[in-house]
Amino acid sequence: NAGVTQTPKFQVLKTGQSMTLQCAQDMNHEYMSWYRQDPGMGLRLIHYSVGAGITDQGEVPNGYNVSRSTTEDFPLRLLSAAPSQTSVYFCASTGTPLAGYTFGSGTRLTVV
Amino acid sequence: GQQVMQIPQYQHVQEGEDFTTYCNSSTTLSNIQWYKQRPGGHPVFLIQLVKSGEVKKQKRLTFQFGEAKKNSSLHITATQTTDVGTYFCAGIGVTGGGNKLTFGTGTQLKVEL
Repeated sequence: NAGVTQTPKFQVLKTGQSMTLQCAQDMNHEYMSWYRQDPGMGLRLIHYSVGAGITDQGEVPNGYNVSRSTTEDFPLRLLSAAPSQTSVYFCASTGTPLAGYTFGSGTRLTVV
Repeated sequence: GQQVMQIPQYQHVQEGEDFTTYCNSSTTLSNIQWYKQRPGGHPVFLIQLVKSGEVKKQKRLTFQFGEAKKNSSLHITATQTTDVGTYFCAGIGVTGGGNKLTFGTGTQLKVEL
């Protein structure tokens, strides 16, 4: 099993550009989440989904969009990149929130 | 909103010394999870605690969930270089938490020979 796959691993964007971070899982997990990790701030929840067609905002949703058209995929869209969105982004999934999440290997994004 | 703080932020120990990180939530939690992230890696799930006062052990690691379900701790006995990394706690709030897993700020552990 591949687990949770994130692409790309690295990305450099110019301010104002848009892009989509891809996340796919092959474990048939209903729950998927996007986190960003910044030094000294832990992991902050951006958006999450409890199943196909259902998404909700996390702690820091501004500037990001998500959709969940299938169980497997949960892409994160940056609408107009800003330097404040420079971060490491992690996608995670679980079969139930009362079980541990499986994380992808992350996408390191730099906005210049 | 729910906030989860961890102390200390950093800890340097000599190999063989013990290590403890503490996790405190602003609200009552339905569960507490612990993750380890190696340098340059991604968080890896270690364990979950659900019951008030629960204690679980994994080899040299001991995890506790407070009686009020608002705090937790991770204790490592006789640290080894393989313990290096950042340890995060994470929990779901009892009220208003929905399915949102909120992470703590993390404790970075460095182990020196």
